Amino acid sequence: SQKIEQNSEALNIQEGKTATLTCNYTNYSPAYLQWYRQDPGRGPVFLLLIRENEKEKRKERLKVTFDTTLKQSLFHITASQPADSATYLCALDTRNRDDKIIFGKGTRLHILP
Amino acid sequence: NAGVMQNPRHLVRRRGQEARLRCSPMKGHSHVYWYRQLPEEGLKFMVYLQKENIIDESGMPKERFSAEFPKEGPSILRIQQVVRGDSAAYFCASSPGRGENTEAFFGQGTRLTVV
Repeated sequence: SQKIEQNSEALNIQEGKTATLTCNYTNYSPAYLQWYRQDPGRGPVFLLLIRENEKEKRKERLKVTFDTTLKQSLFHITASQPADSATYLCALDTRNRDDKIIFGKGTRLHILP
Repeated sequence: NAGVMQNPRHLVRRRGQEARLRCSPMKGHSHVYWYRQLPEEGLKFMVYLQKENIIDESGMPKERFSAEFPKEGPSILRIQQVVRGDSAAYFCASSPGRGENTEAFFGQGTRLTVV
């Protein structure tokens, strides 16, 4: 079955630097790869989506890359701010094989002032 | 346009009781997903439903758990004879369909505590 691994449980980054989070998956490439943000006690909020035939997608200070050869997505936050501190979840939309959106365990990002 | 509404936000049940969790999707959304999240864990897929149909329930325990999404009214996740291990946050998400706009919109979750 498809597995998702996010590089680390927690990541500390100095304010102003770029935070880079990693998502690796096994088996087949999903049709879409998504990134969500989750704050404590809240539901996840959608951030960005990238399709399997796209290499990169940007939105304001966020950038996502998708390498189907490496089976990996990188999620970057540039000019990071303390308000960016949250858990970031990678999700695979596997509609090309079955009908699910499956999530990784997430990476807790702390931006240090 | 209200977001995905889940109720109750918090639910306490004694072992052996039934828990009913409700999810009203966003207006115009006909697809609903249920996920379970344990502390410090990711979201675990449980079931994917469309109106009146269960599309994929491969993540749902075969016993005690059931889900429905009737033609009228909210989606319901039902847990019979709850046990302590059922304590978790249960999130519902909805999407408009399986077209290009595939992102899921989540509710705030129901936190179930079994005592």
